[in-house]
Parts: sequence; C-alpha cells; structure tokens
Amino acid sequence: AQKVTQAQTEISVVEKEDVTLDCVYETRDTTYYLFWYKQPPSGELVFLIRRNSFDEQNEISGRYSWNFQKSTSSFNFTITASQVVDSAVYFCALMKAAGNKLTFGGGTRVLVKP
Amino acid sequence: SQTIHQWPATLVQPVGSPLSLECTVEGTSNPNLYWYRQAAGRGLQLLFYSVGIGQISSEVPQNLSASRPQDRQFILSSKKLLLSDSGFYLCAWSMTGYSGNTIYFGEGSWLTVV
Repeated sequence: AQKVTQAQTEISVVEKEDVTLDCVYETRDTTYYLFWYKQPPSGELVFLIRRNSFDEQNEISGRYSWNFQKSTSSFNFTITASQVVDSAVYFCALMKAAGNKLTFGGGTRVLVKP
Repeated sequence: SQTIHQWPATLVQPVGSPLSLECTVEGTSNPNLYWYRQAAGRGLQLLFYSVGIGQISSEVPQNLSASRPQDRQFILSSKKLLLSDSGFYLCAWSMTGYSGNTIYFGEGSWLTVV
C-alpha cells in the first residue's frame, strides 16, 4: 500500500522568510511519480511539479525548489522569500508508474503574514 | 491548450434531494477523468475514475454514482443526498495511458447538504 505523510499541518511565517514543507512517502514500487499541488483559498488544485523516481536531481522554479531524496523517501518543497500570495494548502502526492491514481498527503497549510 | 470546467461552483441542497455535477474537458481526446472529494478539514479522496466512455471505476462505496456519456464529459450524481455528502468536489483529467501522467484539476464545486 502507498502512503504519503505531511507531518506539518500548518506553518506560519512572515513575508520574505523561507519555508520548507516536508513530505515522506511509502511505496513498494521501484518506479513511481511524486507531485506537489497548491490549493489557494479559492479551492482549485494547481499542479506545481511532477518528478519520477529515477530522477533525483533537485529542481528550482523561480522561488520554488524541490529536494528529492530517494534514500529517505522524502520529497521536500521550499518556498524562498515567501510572499502573501503563497498562502495556501500544499499537497504532496504519489502515483504508481503503471497507474493513474494519486495518493495524497494530508496537506500543509502555509500562512504568510505581511 | 487543454481546459477543464465544472459546474455548478456552489450548491446548497436539502437532504434527500438529487445531485448532478458536470465536468467537461476541452483540447484533448480520450482523457482519463476523475472525481475527487475533499471533506472539511480532510484530505482528497478519489471517488471515481474513467478511462473511456461508459467505463467507470468506483473507489469508495457510497450513494454517489458517475457517468461518462461522452468522451470529454463526466457527471457525478446522487439520487438522494446525505448530510455526509457535503464537501468540495473536484473533477480532474489526465492524458490517456498508464505512465504516471499528471492529473489536472478543475475549479471545484462546493456542496452543502442541509
């Protein structure tokens, strides 16, 4: 069975601070995909990144960066110089390679105060 | 580019009344389609997915049903709503196939059963 754990339920920071969201996953598959989604107050789920299990290179996209460590089954997400618009719930998710279903973590609510 | 729309955005229904949420995808053919539910304060739960017209798989036993009458149309229904059906419903799509394709979500529908 697959499982995704986001231990931090809520993080509060002041604008311009960095914030790191933890994601730990469990799977018996050797090939799988990891995702991060952002859910702003409006409710829609916005896709941020997809990473396959064979690609352990860290990725940076603007103020967002991701650290994938297969050895510790973690796929952490960092927002650098946070802004108020980053306030949202962030979900980490796992998908089997030979499948089309996402297993979501419980989400981490990020509150960025001005 | 592909777009996904679902409606209505907000719905308040009495217990025992029927439900119909509709979702359409544009800009792609033969997509995989999904219905997810997010109960208040909880994570995302996959309800149904479809790999083609008339092909529906149910993940969770409940009083909801799904139908796919056309290639890019996915409908979530209930004959008699329960209080526990309240929540945020998200339609989603992904490219056809089983290679860990990214799942993209619609704007969501807020359902309150009173």
